Amino acid sequence: GAVVSQHPSRVICKSGTSVKIECRSLDFQATTMFWYRQFPKQSLMLMATSNEGSKATYEQGVEKDKFLINHASLTLSTLTVTSAHPEDSSFYICSASTNTVANYGYTFGSGTRLTVV
Amino acid sequence: KQEVTQIPAALSVPEGENLVLNCSFTDSAIYNLQWFRQDPGKGLTSLLLIQSSQREQTSGRLNASLDKSSGRSTLYIAASQPGDSATYLCAVVKSGSRLTFGEGTQLTVNP
Repeated sequence: GAVVSQHPSRVICKSGTSVKIECRSLDFQATTMFWYRQFPKQSLMLMATSNEGSKATYEQGVEKDKFLINHASLTLSTLTVTSAHPEDSSFYICSASTNTVANYGYTFGSGTRLTVV
Repeated sequence: KQEVTQIPAALSVPEGENLVLNCSFTDSAIYNLQWFRQDPGKGLTSLLLIQSSQREQTSGRLNASLDKSSGRSTLYIAASQPGDSATYLCAVVKSGSRLTFGEGTQLTVNP
């Protein structure tokens, strides 16, 4: 089955530094990747949608300069949290799909717990 | 705007019980509906995918149904086990390939 690998699973960084999270589709080509943020005991909040080779589309209220998304290939998308602050601490999850989402649905990564101190 | 609602928000049952989780959505023009499981601090694991033309899907002890016209889906779990304890999320896909999630049902199966 489709597998999405997300790294790192946990990261602690100092306030003001930047952190990069990787999301890779291991056995399929992901034409579209999504980045979500999840707060404790809440559902997933879509941050942005990225298509390979084009700029990401950000949801309303998400700062594109703070959350940099790059989808350089059909198997890799990265989320960089720039100048991180404690309020950026959260659980970030990526998902990926092929262009036939109606048939195959979405596959999610295992998530990244970001703690900014 | 598509809205997805899951009932109940939390459910606690003794081991061995059969149970039903409910999901409703406001816009019936969907491509598919997907049920996921999330364990604490983990990502989402896909359980079942039902395409808009299908009525149900089964995998082991899990059975998911879809009634598109009424905007409802149910996830039936037979003979529940403590290992089934997790949060269950349903999500629908409409146009633009976006997933819209429900708030989830937190299931606890007590030994």
